[in-house]
Amino acid sequence: GEDVEQSLFLSVREGDSSVINCTYTDSSSTYLYWYKQEPGAGLQLLTYIFSNMDMKQDQRLTVLLNKKDKHLSLRIADTQTGDSAIYFCAESMGGRNTDKLIFGTGTRLQVFP
Amino acid sequence: GAVVSQHPSWVICKSGTSVKIECRSLDFQATTMFWYRQFPKQSLMLMATSNEGSKATYEQGVEKDKFLINHASLTLSTLTVTSAHPEDSSFYICSARDGIEAFFGQGTRLTVV
Repeated sequence: GEDVEQSLFLSVREGDSSVINCTYTDSSSTYLYWYKQEPGAGLQLLTYIFSNMDMKQDQRLTVLLNKKDKHLSLRIADTQTGDSAIYFCAESMGGRNTDKLIFGTGTRLQVFP
Repeated sequence: GAVVSQHPSWVICKSGTSVKIECRSLDFQATTMFWYRQFPKQSLMLMATSNEGSKATYEQGVEKDKFLINHASLTLSTLTVTSAHPEDSSFYICSARDGIEAFFGQGTRLTVV
C-alpha cells in the first residue's frame, strides 16, 4: 500500500543545516520528490530523485535515498528564514503524465534568527 | 518549469450552491490532471484523476456526484463542488505533469457559509 510519513515539525537556527526525513512503504516507487509549500500557496517543486540514485545535489539542497530502508531525506544547507515553510515528500510509481503523486504528511520547518 | 494556473484563488459561497474551480496548463498540454484537497495543517489528499475526453477516476471515498470533474480540452480541467456544505470548505489544488515533473496550481480556498 501507499503510505508516506514525515516528522511534523523541525526548528533550526538561521545558518544551520536542516534535515527533513521521509519514509515510504511502496518499494515500487520510481520517483521521489520534495515540494515546498508556503502559507496559502500551491506547491513548489524543489527537486526529485530517481529510485536508482543514492544522492542528488542541487545548490543548497541535497537529497539522500536509502532504497533498502525506504528512507528519503532532504538537507538544506545554510538555512535561511525564507526557507520557513511546509515541506512535502512525494512518491510516484512512474514518470508518465498519468502517474499520480502520493504525498507525505508534511514537515513544518521553522527557521529562527 | 511549466506553469499550472488555478482560478479562483479564493471563493466564498452559500450552502447549497455550486462552485466551479478551473485548472489550466499554460505552456504544455495535459491529458491528465490531478485534483487534491488539503485540510488545515494536513497533507494533500488525492481526490481524483482528470482525463481529457473521458471520465475522471475518483479515489475511494470521494463522491463523484458531489465533485464533478470535466476535462474538455488538453489545457483545462474543472472541478465543480455541487450543493456545497460547510464541510466542503477546504483548500483545493490541481496538478499536472510534464513528464517526470509535476506542477501545481496556486490553490483555491473554498469557504462555504
